[in-house]
This record gives sequence, structure tokens and C-alpha cells, in this order.
Amino acid sequence: EVQLLESGGGLVQPGGSLRLSCAASGFPFRNYAMSWVRQAPGKGLEWVSAMSGTSDPYYSDSLRGRFTISRDNSQNTVYLQIHSLSAEDTAVYYCAKDHVSGNGKIDYFDSWGQGTLVTVSS
Amino acid sequence: DIQMTQSPSSVSASVGDRVTITCRASQDISTWLAWYQQKPGKAPKLLISAASSLQGGVPSRFGGSGSGTDFTLTISNLQPEDFATYYCQQANTLSPTFGQGTKVEIK
Repeated sequence: EVQLLESGGGLVQPGGSLRLSCAASGFPFRNYAMSWVRQAPGKGLEWVSAMSGTSDPYYSDSLRGRFTISRDNSQNTVYLQIHSLSAEDTAVYYCAKDHVSGNGKIDYFDSWGQGTLVTVSS
Repeated sequence: DIQMTQSPSSVSASVGDRVTITCRASQDISTWLAWYQQKPGKAPKLLISAASSLQGGVPSRFGGSGSGTDFTLTISNLQPEDFATYYCQQANTLSPTFGQGTKVEIK
């Protein structure tokens, strides 16, 4: 059974930084791209970033610059570092597993974690 | 980025009704489209991939169709557990984007 467990969220002051983690199990982690998707309170889903199994990073054009994705295939974990946080970054951050392995695309997300809430406020 | 536009934003329906949600892409995405269901406080669930491929365990009353720029999610014989918000997502580029969501509410 695929399991994704996010951690690292919490209350952060504007301008601060945060690193989110997603620990994965139940599938060959190194073979799959992993994404971060966020959802602001009461709003829709927004794809943030992804990293292929071979550690190629991809970022949303509208969010590029303040986010850094990384992964450790030996620990089955993907990370998202967020810098210069503002109130607009307040959201639940989900990690999600790609549906198909090794096809060179970021396609569909067939497994999701429970999410970790990031609140940016002074 | 490819823009995804869903309609309607919300729909009121009764148990047993047929509900249709549309999703339009701002450019041709072939069949690189998925549909998700999300219930309050829960993570999204993948229902349909590649525009029409039903995921395992998803009831057959859910159906997807379309290609190019216009897509449809149909829920036949709406059940109480189907009241939720539905999102489309394009996967044609290395920058996936979601529609704004359609909330299916109880009439």
C-alpha cells in the first residue's frame, strides 16, 4: 500500500523559510516523479513543483524562484524548501505520486498524502 | 501555463440525477487530462486519467470523455457519497495545471 506522510508545516512569520518533507513507502520510490500541490483555505488546487526519479526539478512558472525541491532516494523522501514566505503561501501542502513511472512526464497524481498546513502570519 | 476552465462552478443535484461537468483547456492537450474528487478535509482522489480511463475501484457511474480542448466528466445515478468538489488537471506539459473546481451539492 502506497503511503505518503508529509511533515514540517506550521506557523511561520512573513519573510521566513520552511522545509517540508514527504516520506514515502509502498512503491519503488526512485522510479517515480513526486510533486507538491498546495491548496489555500477554501480555494482550489495549485501544482507547485515536481522532481523526477532522476532528480530533474520542475516548477510552476508562476511560483518559480522561492521554492526548491529535492529528494533523497535512499530515504524515500522528497522535500520542498520555501523561502520569503508571505500570507499568500498559507495553504495545505500535499505531496503526490506520479501515476506512471519513467515516462518523462509529470502526469497524473494517483496517491496523495494527508497534507501539512503552512500558516504564514505575524 | 495552460489554463483550465471548468463549468459550472457549482451544481445542485439530487440522488439519482445525472451530472455533467465540463473542462476546457486553453490549448490542445490531446487526452492528457485527469479528473479528481475531493471531499472536505481530505486529499484529492484520482478518478479518471487519460481523459476516459477509470481508475481501479472507481464506480462505473463515473465517466470521462473528450480530447483536444474540451472534456466532460459525467456522473450517472448520483449517490450520496458523490457530493464533493471535482477538479480537472492537464498533464500535457511539465507544468500541470488544475481547473478551479466544481462543487456538487445536494439539492
